[in-house]
Amino acid sequence: DPKIIQKPKYLVAVTGSEKILICEQYLGHNAMYWYRQSAKKPLEFMFSYSYQKLMDNQTASSRFQPQSSKKNHLDLQITALKPDDSATYFCASSQESANERLFFGHGTKLSVL
Amino acid sequence: GDSVTQTEGPVTVSESESLIINCTYSATSIAYPNLFWYVRYPGEGLQLLLKVITAGQKGSSRGFEATYNKETTSFHLQKASVQESDSAVYYCALGDGYNQGKLIFGQGTKLSIKP
Repeated sequence: DPKIIQKPKYLVAVTGSEKILICEQYLGHNAMYWYRQSAKKPLEFMFSYSYQKLMDNQTASSRFQPQSSKKNHLDLQITALKPDDSATYFCASSQESANERLFFGHGTKLSVL
Repeated sequence: GDSVTQTEGPVTVSESESLIINCTYSATSIAYPNLFWYVRYPGEGLQLLLKVITAGQKGSSRGFEATYNKETTSFHLQKASVQESDSAVYYCALGDGYNQGKLIFGQGTKLSIKP
């Protein structure tokens, strides 16, 4: 069974709308992350959280807002969606933020029309 | 800037043959780069295959090896004899040794093994 659950697997949205990508991890990890992979581009780091606190934000736009309601949750809210936001979004976790072994979810593929 | 470049896929290799997936990196803002290979098997999430944090050292896992070469800024992935179960997408990645969760990935190399 997957230990990092991302929901939904696929998501279609219209330009200008808002969506929330869900991520839950059942590994007991203290650090969680979001990465994004656009078509034909490498995986790109977006955010890191440690003990539910933001550690690093490499996303230029404030339209992307992580939300950590519980220690094992890190959702990603995206507002005012644009076609360029179309990508697969991966959630990951590690035991601690200084731990090099990341565990990834299967991703949410977002298409913005 | 910091970046990773790896063999452009897809790559197809016959079972029992040898494999090399090239990876080179640029670490202009990272004093002590850490290097990783991650792998995504069909139907699974991305997972760590091996890592090396010291230049000159070799990492190994599941028959794969990679040596951290600081002079050539390379971290090529090799295996002497591939198996069908090695079919996957392989990603080379670079970290800064402090914030390990923040990795810079290559574009990935899709490997298919012919039986």
